[in-house]
Amino acid sequence: GAVVSQHPSWVICKSGTSVKIECRSLDFQATTMFWYRQFPKQSLMLMATSNEGSKATYEQGVEKDKFLINHASLTLSTLTVTSAHPEDSSFYICSAREVGGLGEQYFGPGTRLTVT
Amino acid sequence: DAKTTQPTSMDCAEGRAANLPCNHSTISGNEYVYWYRQIHSQGPQYIIHGLKNNETNEMASLIITEDRKSSTLILPHATLRDTAVYYCIVRVANYGQNFVFGPGTRLSVLP
Repeated sequence: GAVVSQHPSWVICKSGTSVKIECRSLDFQATTMFWYRQFPKQSLMLMATSNEGSKATYEQGVEKDKFLINHASLTLSTLTVTSAHPEDSSFYICSAREVGGLGEQYFGPGTRLTVT
Repeated sequence: DAKTTQPTSMDCAEGRAANLPCNHSTISGNEYVYWYRQIHSQGPQYIIHGLKNNETNEMASLIITEDRKSSTLILPHATLRDTAVYYCIVRVANYGQNFVFGPGTRLSVLP
């Protein structure tokens, strides 16, 4: 089956620093990737939709200048959390939509971000 | 907002069938019913999806009522590793739509 990877799987950073999270589709091409955030004991919430070669679309309440998304190729999207603060600590999950067919989506394993 | 309602939590004895219900009374004709699960600190895992016919794969069975307003996910022989949060999602199966996750059902498989 289609595989989506995320790197790193977990990261600890200091407040005020920036962190980059990568999402890769390993065996298929994805024109669209989605970024979700999940706080403890809560469900996944969509943050943004990223289309290859164009600007990401952010959900209401998500600061585009804080969460920078780049989708430069059909297999890679990156999420950069700029000037991270402790309230940004969360589980970040990406999914990639396969080109062709029914456009099924496959989820990555998630990245645990802890800001100290 | 999620278009489905699920019980908050359920328990199931190991080795028994786990039946997880989902109500989706406002489902549209072109929307599929998807089931995913999330084991603690992992990404969502696809289980099964269907439109109107019952579906079965190596993981589970999906039973959709004739009016499509509800469905049941069946894990035929639950194991401890099936303990997870199970999400029922309705979605058009084509380009464009993301998945909207509700709170899901926390299934605990007990020894």
